[in-house]
Amino acid sequence: DGGITQSPKYLFRKEGQNVTLSCEQNLNHDAMYWYRQDPGQGLRLIYYSQIVNDFQKGDIAEGYSVSREKKESFPLTVTSAQKNPTAFYLCASSIGLALSYNEQFFGPGTRLTVL
Amino acid sequence: AQSVTQLGSHVSVSEGALVLLRCNYSSSVPPYLFWYVQYPNQGLQLLLKYTSAATLVKGINGFEAEFKKSETSFHLTKPSAHMSDAAEYFCAVGYNNAGNMLTFGGGTRLMVKP
Repeated sequence: DGGITQSPKYLFRKEGQNVTLSCEQNLNHDAMYWYRQDPGQGLRLIYYSQIVNDFQKGDIAEGYSVSREKKESFPLTVTSAQKNPTAFYLCASSIGLALSYNEQFFGPGTRLTVL
Repeated sequence: AQSVTQLGSHVSVSEGALVLLRCNYSSSVPPYLFWYVQYPNQGLQLLLKYTSAATLVKGINGFEAEFKKSETSFHLTKPSAHMSDAAEYFCAVGYNNAGNMLTFGGGTRLMVKP
């Protein structure tokens, strides 16, 4: 089955720690995205990547970092610089970046809680 | 910058009643419009999308939406609500001059009463 997997499903972090959220897709999609979801605020774009070894900041990139060493993988690191990291994080992918009508497919999400 | 407004963060309907979830966008150029559904602690699933073809778009699970350019709206409807429709619904807008970046509305939580 093709799809997007995210791990772990739940993650707890102590203040001051960096944590990395995994996102893997086997859809052969070029573009991948990371969103943050907070109650009542919809989804906000953190980072996106349209091709291997390239990525761009989204609307709320501060305190986050990403890498795109392989087409199928786009891990997100939440650093200690992120002041309010407790949220639900969603990874998505699409065929490409160029055309806006390309559907974005979403993973099941990771819920991060800072203790 | 484009924006999406979903009127009503919570909507409650009785089982069998009409479902109407509102979405308005701000834009001076033709948009692409999407409705996604999210069940608790899950990712988003595409319900339907408008890509400048027919203005009335039919999606999965009996949902449909109509693009009204004059009203800058893309409201989601379903004639008869089912208990399994209880979820959060997100409207999103994209534009060709913004690549495949989507702007999401704040979401509407649909509750279905028996």
